[in-house]
Amino acid sequence: DQQVKQNSPSLSVQEGRISILNCDYTNSMFDYFLWYKKYPAEGPTFLISISSIKDKNEDGRFTVFLNKSAKHLSLHIVPSQPGDSAVYFCAARLSGTYKYIFGTGTRLKVLA
Amino acid sequence: DAGVIQSPRHEVTEMGQEVTLRCKPISGHNSLFWYRQTMMRGLELLIYFNNNVPIDDSGMPEDRFSAKMPNASFSTLKIQPSEPRDSAVYFCASSLMAGGADTQYFGPGTRLTVL
Repeated sequence: DQQVKQNSPSLSVQEGRISILNCDYTNSMFDYFLWYKKYPAEGPTFLISISSIKDKNEDGRFTVFLNKSAKHLSLHIVPSQPGDSAVYFCAARLSGTYKYIFGTGTRLKVLA
Repeated sequence: DAGVIQSPRHEVTEMGQEVTLRCKPISGHNSLFWYRQTMMRGLELLIYFNNNVPIDDSGMPEDRFSAKMPNASFSTLKIQPSEPRDSAVYFCASSLMAGGADTQYFGPGTRLTVL
């Protein structure tokens, strides 16, 4: 039972345009959501997070939106750059724990 | 800061053999996590420790898997006996649990192939 779902395994975007990566979840007991980026042969690296009490968090070119009623979050990257090409994982933390549930990842390819 | 260190980076073994993966967390971090990455299931949490104590091992797939953290600077994940379906990339991560969205820092992973 996948509590955190990334339904798009891959996404291609032209350089300079917006990349939108989506994530859906089923458990109402998540209190934090994070996005990680992963390059080949490396471990995931933290990108941005959002608390469940907020609906938006922005850090430079990266913005995460949270829609609690729809149990949906998205990561916007604008403008997209070739160096953003990587696998992106969303993760959710179970409230009261330090247990994170990860999605299966979306491979983003930014075309020059 | 050297980051999270994992060894070996690659392991190829035969079915039935014992496999031991090692992890050195970032100094000062009080929590350590073991994950397994597969194409089908993405990143799965296997077990995590807080202050060297196992807190949640519900993700450990079978009794063939065991993990230890004898001190704050070292952890092992052991598979005995190994099976082909254990082939995956295993990541170790550490964090400083201090409330809020504690960031986990991942090691480079160990790619395990069981023949």
